[in-house]
Amino acid sequence: DTEVTQTPKHLVMGMTNKKSLKCEQHMGHRAMYWYKQKAKKPPELMFVYSYEKLSINESVPSRFSPECPNSSLLNLHLHALQPEDSALYLCASSQRLSGEAFFGQGTRLTVV
Amino acid sequence: DQQVKQNSPSLSVQEGRISILNCDYTNSMFDYFLWYKKYPAEGPTFLISISSIKDKNEDGRFTVFLNKSAKHLSLHIVPSQPGDSAVYFCAANQAGTALIFGKGTTLSVSS
Repeated sequence: DTEVTQTPKHLVMGMTNKKSLKCEQHMGHRAMYWYKQKAKKPPELMFVYSYEKLSINESVPSRFSPECPNSSLLNLHLHALQPEDSALYLCASSQRLSGEAFFGQGTRLTVV
Repeated sequence: DQQVKQNSPSLSVQEGRISILNCDYTNSMFDYFLWYKKYPAEGPTFLISISSIKDKNEDGRFTVFLNKSAKHLSLHIVPSQPGDSAVYFCAANQAGTALIFGKGTTLSVSS
């Protein structure tokens, strides 16, 4: 099983809403990542969890709040987003903090 | 400062011919290099990787070459197929860090 599952696949939210993106992997990977990708741009790293501890936060605004409840799950809590936050949000995991990362299909987020 | 560079935004190749995608990097501490393939509105799919201790890695139609002195790597696809049409991202990292991606090259394979 080399699958990283992200839900929902699509999300439309207003600027005052609170929503959460979810990510799950059962490969026993101990590093999990959130990336953001805008059209025609490469994925940009947002957060990294290693052994369920936040190890990298790439100066992401506080309206994005990550959470790693256990080694298989990764959440991204969203609150008071702006229209420019609309993007494809990608979750990934890897055995350790380096090497091959496997990506989920992404959540297409639209902020209205 | 872009640490991973893909200077060709696009590449067009005929079916059956070789596709060569190029990538340059600036950080000499990178020790692992990867290629990902991406379709629109989907997550990147891992294709092939190479460690800095090697200069070539092959997997079926895909071969990655690494030239450390030139800080350059390339992905060769032989023979190219229409289904290979996608955006290809080069990525790199070093121990303890997350992947850094290049801007991608859009490959179009015509039949």
